[in-house]
Amino acid sequence: EDQVTQSPEALRLQEGESSSLNCSYTVSGLRGLFWYRQDPGKGPEFLFTLYSAGEEKEKERLKATLTKKESFLHITAPKPEDSATYLCAVRDLNSGNTPLVFGKGTRLSVIA
Amino acid sequence: AAGVIQSPRHLIKEKRETATLKCYPIPRHDTVYWYQQGPGQDPQFLISFYEKMQSDKGSIPDRFSAQQFSDYHSELNMSSLELGDSALYFCASSPPPPDTQYFGPGTRLTVL
Repeated sequence: EDQVTQSPEALRLQEGESSSLNCSYTVSGLRGLFWYRQDPGKGPEFLFTLYSAGEEKEKERLKATLTKKESFLHITAPKPEDSATYLCAVRDLNSGNTPLVFGKGTRLSVIA
Repeated sequence: AAGVIQSPRHLIKEKRETATLKCYPIPRHDTVYWYQQGPGQDPQFLISFYEKMQSDKGSIPDRFSAQQFSDYHSELNMSSLELGDSALYFCASSPPPPDTQYFGPGTRLTVL
């Protein structure tokens, strides 16, 4: 069974204090790993898709990396507007149109 | 860019009533997914459709049904509503071949 574990559950940073969020996954074969940002009461907003170990993607202050067992979302010099829940999800290689399996997310708070 | 449209955005119902949620996917996206998200929870997959046929089924109660129409929009029908059905309901769509899912803003259902 596919599993996704995110850590920490919650993270509080000072503005400008860089850090990383972790996503560990277990799948029979990885078709894709996805990062989303979710603000309270809103739909998950797509950030990145990673397909193979060693792959990296960047967007503004965010950088996502992937190994064979985990992914990291690095946040460089965060600002208060980066405060949100960050969700990691995976899709199994042996699936067809199967849905994403989500982790429980990391709630990030950035304090000015 | 066009996004996933969901209606209504908010819905208040009494116990044992019925509700219909609508989803309009991004143009040219042929796969639609429905998720339920309770307070403080990660999104839980309900059901998906590919080219108007049911593709996968998750933890969807028997009281719920869904379909995808010829114009690719989808409707989630919920009957005999219970207090525990109160949640955010998200629709997501993905282009062919099914890959990254793009989420709508959600429908907040409150059952009184």
